[in-house]
Amino acid sequence: QQQVKQSPQSLIVQKGGISIINCAYENTAFDYFPWYQQFPGKGPALLIAIRPDVSEKKEGRFTISFNKSAKQFSLHIMDSQPGDSATYFCAASRNAGNMLTFGGGTRLMVKP
Amino acid sequence: GAVVSQHPSRVICKSGTSVKIECRSLDFQATTMFWYRQFPKQSLMLMATSNEGSKATYEQGVEKDKFLINHASLTLSTLTVTSAHPEDSSFYICSAIGTVYGYTFGSGTRLTVV
Repeated sequence: QQQVKQSPQSLIVQKGGISIINCAYENTAFDYFPWYQQFPGKGPALLIAIRPDVSEKKEGRFTISFNKSAKQFSLHIMDSQPGDSATYFCAASRNAGNMLTFGGGTRLMVKP
Repeated sequence: GAVVSQHPSRVICKSGTSVKIECRSLDFQATTMFWYRQFPKQSLMLMATSNEGSKATYEQGVEKDKFLINHASLTLSTLTVTSAHPEDSSFYICSAIGTVYGYTFGSGTRLTVV
């Protein structure tokens, strides 16, 4: 059972554009929702995370939007840059210290 | 911030041999470590969860005798792929959780079995 569904699988955005990646979860016990960025041949690195008590969190060009009633959350990358080209994974867990359930990943390519 | 060191980053071994991958938490004590396997263009697949001093808990379908996990201390966990075969070729990633720091991933190990 895939508890976290991520879309799209791949995304191409022009430099300066907005990249949007969406995730939906099923388990209402989840209360920690991080996003990870992974470059080829490297491990995932935490990008930004949110808890369900807020609807939005922004860190620099990266913003998480969270809709608790719809059980959905999304990552917005503003002013996308070629250096943002990577695979992005959403994840969810029951608090930050427990096992993460990952989405399927989105391969983002930002064209110069 | 928390750092998890994983070695080696790349390894090539002959079919039938064993390979050990190390995962160390450098600046924190890891109460729990996770081992993942990742195939090209796919998400991370959890293989097992290990807690210091106890036996690892393996996910369904993961062979315990093939993928030996040892979490001997609060800063070190090892994954040994025994009698490796070409189908074991993959990208293996560890992650660690401490009492202060959340999930931190290692840099991964590319295993190629020839």
